[in-house]
Amino acid sequence: AQSVTQLDSQVPVFEEAPVELRCNYSSSVSVYLFWYVQYPNQGLQLLLKYLSGSTLVKGINGFEAEFNKSQTSFHLRKPSVHISDTAEYFCAVRTGGKLIFGQGTELSVKP
Amino acid sequence: NAGVTQTPKFQVLKTGQSMTLQCAQDMNHNSMYWYRQDPGMGLRLIYYSASEGTTDKGEVPNGYNVSRLNKREFSLRLESAAPSQTSVYFCASSEGGTLYEQYFGPGTRLTVT
Repeated sequence: AQSVTQLDSQVPVFEEAPVELRCNYSSSVSVYLFWYVQYPNQGLQLLLKYLSGSTLVKGINGFEAEFNKSQTSFHLRKPSVHISDTAEYFCAVRTGGKLIFGQGTELSVKP
Repeated sequence: NAGVTQTPKFQVLKTGQSMTLQCAQDMNHNSMYWYRQDPGMGLRLIYYSASEGTTDKGEVPNGYNVSRLNKREFSLRLESAAPSQTSVYFCASSEGGTLYEQYFGPGTRLTVT
């Protein structure tokens, strides 16, 4: 079965700085990958997903992710973060008809 | 359009008590899911229902039962609560299977003492 590993549990960053949240997946023939965001005291919402096609995927709120098959990675990036991006971010992979989530990365944006 | 709603928002149970968490969606989605969220462990799937009338086990089904009452509603029951079931529970729905976006409810924070 597929799995994902989020390499950082916490990422502190200053406002307007770039950020990268790292996610590696276990290799398989077909890979479907997702990034979800959870703002404080809320449920999750979809940022972006990779199903096929272009390896650079653009999502909401200025986020993008790159699917890298050779490195089995799907890192999330934003060139300039805002205070409002403070949240927990989850990488997920589809396997056996279910979504398997990573452990989450807490992004903390400081003024 | 309320999306996915969950009741209650908070609940405290004693060990051995039972309760049912309710979930409803108004988006006419076919698939519904129950997850639990624990610190440092992400979300883990408890049960899901791919369509009305069907339910299947997820990663951590032990100690839980579910009912897909109709297309809108999907309930999660704890028959005999244990402290290990202290968690935040999320219901989600999607138009189809897991390639579709899942829409999440606001969660139920459950404490078992």
